Amino acid sequence: KAGVTQTPRYLIKTRGQQVTLSCSPISGHRSVSWYQQTPGQGLQFLFEYFSETQRNKGNFPGRFSGRQFSNSRSEMNVSTLELGDSALYLCASSLGGRAYNEQFFGPGTRLTVL
Amino acid sequence: KNQVEQSPQSLIILEGKNCTLQCNYTVSPFSNLRWYKQDTGRGPVSLTIMTFSENTKSNGRYTATLDADTKQSSLHITASQLSDSASYICVVSAETGGYQKVTFGTGTKLQVIP
Repeated sequence: KAGVTQTPRYLIKTRGQQVTLSCSPISGHRSVSWYQQTPGQGLQFLFEYFSETQRNKGNFPGRFSGRQFSNSRSEMNVSTLELGDSALYLCASSLGGRAYNEQFFGPGTRLTVL
Repeated sequence: KNQVEQSPQSLIILEGKNCTLQCNYTVSPFSNLRWYKQDTGRGPVSLTIMTFSENTKSNGRYTATLDADTKQSSLHITASQLSDSASYICVVSAETGGYQKVTFGTGTKLQVIP
């Protein structure tokens, strides 16, 4: 069974630009969560999508948005990039039901904003 | 406010020695606690998962304990190997409105030296 895949793996952008990151969950998983990881802050929850609907949201500004498609693939968009957005962006997939479901993480996308 | 605190922040040990990492949490209502290992530049990988009724769980040389009364968990690594060098992240989930809400610790960075 293939794991969680994220594209691209590395990205360099300049301030003010926008970026779209992609995540393909494990086959059969319906929940995709996005996280931002920086050295100082650790892992910060961005949002979770389940069956194409945003189910949970963290405390990030509206510049961060996401969506999920009918095949459970998800994209995350960051508009008007700031230097502080440089981070490793991780997505995790799970079955997504109401009971506890283990999350499986992808390798991440390393975003550098210059 | 749900919080997860880990200690120490970083640790250096000699190959073959044992070590214990700590995790204190104030997450409520508690659902489960997980320990993840994250190698540099990669996504976290689950080591152990414990629910309220479990107070110890092993995965090879990794043994996690949970004291739900004091809201503390520890991860004990036995006979450390160079490949154990990584960040170890404690993650606590709360069940809110029928769904899981996760809180991440900032991690303990472990370095095993020859």
